[in-house]
Amino acid sequence: DQQVKQNSPSLSVQEGRISILNCDYTNSMFDYFLWYKKYPAEGPTFLISISSIKDKNEDGRFTVFLNKSAKHLSLHIVPSQPGDSAVYFCAASVETSGSRLTFGEGTQLTVNP
Amino acid sequence: DSGVTQTPKHLITATGQRVTLRCSPRSGDLSVYWYQQSLDQGLQFLIQYYNGEERAKGNILERFSAQQFPDLHSELNLSSLELGDSALYFCASSVEVAGGDTQYFGPGTRLTVL
Repeated sequence: DQQVKQNSPSLSVQEGRISILNCDYTNSMFDYFLWYKKYPAEGPTFLISISSIKDKNEDGRFTVFLNKSAKHLSLHIVPSQPGDSAVYFCAASVETSGSRLTFGEGTQLTVNP
Repeated sequence: DSGVTQTPKHLITATGQRVTLRCSPRSGDLSVYWYQQSLDQGLQFLIQYYNGEERAKGNILERFSAQQFPDLHSELNLSSLELGDSALYFCASSVEVAGGDTQYFGPGTRLTVL
């Protein structure tokens, strides 16, 4: 049972344009959501997070939107840069259950110069 | 650099053997998590320790065990290794604060079982 799903395995955008990565979840107990970026041969790098009490969180070029009723979150990267090319993972946790993360399958983002 | 260190970076061994993976958390972090990333499974939570005590368990096989020592470093022990245990093993650490806890990942150990 895949509780966190990233339905797009890959996304290609032009440099300077917006990248939108999507994530859906099924477990309504999830109350904390994170996005990680991963380069080959490295560990996941934390990007941005959002608590279920918010619907938006912004950090520089990265914004995460949370739609609890739709059980959907998205990561917006504006403007996209070639260095953003990586695999992006969405993750979720239930804070009262020890913070274990449930990950999506990942989306490969390619930003073309 | 996340501040989480893992050794070794690569490990090649044979079926039936036993290996130990080591993780040092970020300074000040009390929680350590272990995850497995295999080709067809994505990142899967194995186990969490908090200040030396087991806090949560995921789909960790009985052949696998972990511990966290008084200096907060952690070891993941994998025994009776099978071909299917070949994967990337990541350690993560966090402070564990209320209202949202961010985990920071180490670079991983790539285990190859031949």
